[in-house]
Amino acid sequence: QVQLVQSGAEVKKPGASVKVSCKASGYTFTSYGISWVRQAPGQGLEWMGWISAYNGNTNYAQKLQGRVTMTTDTSTSTAYMELRSLRSDDTAVYYCARDRGLTGRYDYWGQGTLVTVSS
Amino acid sequence: SSELTQDPAVSVALGQTVRITCQGDSLRSYYASWYQQKPGQAPVLVIYGKNNRPSGIPDRFSGSSSGNTASLTITGAQAEDEADYYCNSRDSSGNLVVFGGGTKLTVL
Repeated sequence: QVQLVQSGAEVKKPGASVKVSCKASGYTFTSYGISWVRQAPGQGLEWMGWISAYNGNTNYAQKLQGRVTMTTDTSTSTAYMELRSLRSDDTAVYYCARDRGLTGRYDYWGQGTLVTVSS
Repeated sequence: SSELTQDPAVSVALGQTVRITCQGDSLRSYYASWYQQKPGQAPVLVIYGKNNRPSGIPDRFSGSSSGNTASLTITGAQAEDEADYYCNSRDSSGNLVVFGGGTKLTVL
């Protein structure tokens, strides 16, 4: 069965970086992409970006350009999302989701990773 | 601000039909996907494409689209359908994805 398992919760200080992992299983990793979506406390879903696991191509949300990097390791079927220069408003649950090709159709989601940014 | 607009809250009587809408220019070119999210849980895909349900989603959920508006209809709403619902699609450029602000559905 398809599973996306994310790394554990993180607490970071403003200005620091965080790297969240998303390990995929149960399907051919390189046949799909991975999108990252975050949700601040009590707020809606926000699309962060997408990476093709086939060739590493990325598309990032404009507001995060320059601060976010998405990568994949096909040898371990793992996707990563690194966010730099953290601010308090980056506090959110971060989700990875399987997406065949920047379609917005996310049929499987990770369990979410809470990232708290606090001094 | 989101490029997809949803009503913040909608209510429906148990067993009745409710329509949740999503408006945006990109919907003239791209289909919306719809997600259900319950407190403390990851979103779940309920509708995608023209009107497709993933395996395991009850057939009381259906989707439609006209012009710049996509709709999610729940026919015979159940108590367990009370949740937040989000639409998304590619944006007008086709290079990004956007989510609507979400609709909180209350089943009375």
